[in-house]
Amino acid sequence: QSALTQPASVSGSPGQSITISCTGTSSDVIDYSYNYVSWYQQHPGKAPKLMIYEVSNRPSGVPDRFSGSKSGNTASLTISGLQAEDEADYYCYSYTTSSTRVFGPGTKVTVL
Amino acid sequence: QVQLVESGGGVVQPGRSLRLSCAASGFTFSIYGIHWVRQAPGKGLEWVAFIRHDESNKYYADSVKGRFTISRDNSKNTVYLQMNTLRAEDTAVYFCARDQRDNYFDYWGQGALVTVSS
Repeated sequence: QSALTQPASVSGSPGQSITISCTGTSSDVIDYSYNYVSWYQQHPGKAPKLMIYEVSNRPSGVPDRFSGSKSGNTASLTISGLQAEDEADYYCYSYTTSSTRVFGPGTKVTVL
Repeated sequence: QVQLVESGGGVVQPGRSLRLSCAASGFTFSIYGIHWVRQAPGKGLEWVAFIRHDESNKYYADSVKGRFTISRDNSKNTVYLQMNTLRAEDTAVYFCARDQRDNYFDYWGQGALVTVSS
């Protein structure tokens, strides 16, 4: 059982906006005020790809329709203007106070 | 360009050992930490282990602690994952990934499949 929770699935129509949440559920998860949450996109059979780091920073090459934010112990990934190629699994990631690391269980994004 | 290439995967019987390699190129390997992350068939990502650039610290998931050992050879630009006493639940694709600032992964390898089965 992950110390981070995500919705199992989120769906939206092309052009719509969707938001995926990532909530720390364990006292072991490091205080989110340290801003150490990142997000990864994974298409079937492919390696994960970094989409957002340190809560809200977008790497070069990632479309600006992807954005990240945080409120309290919940981080969020928003995809604005949903496109067909955004259909994938999305994972949040952080690390615990014991210096180990943890992924959320993943969210399947479906473009209707 | 940055490349990470895993090798050493295969089919192994329960209780046996296997060593994975992660060969890096396209960047100054000796200044970056490297992680291993795995994904069981049809499941999510699971962080496995991390080694700092100078081997000063190594960290492991509870699920592999005492059985897996991470190491590196900076002269060969390679990180290793020695996996002992393998179990069926270790069956997964194993990815290596480059660490950035001790809090995220910016590059990933393509993965190596490890199947533990009799």
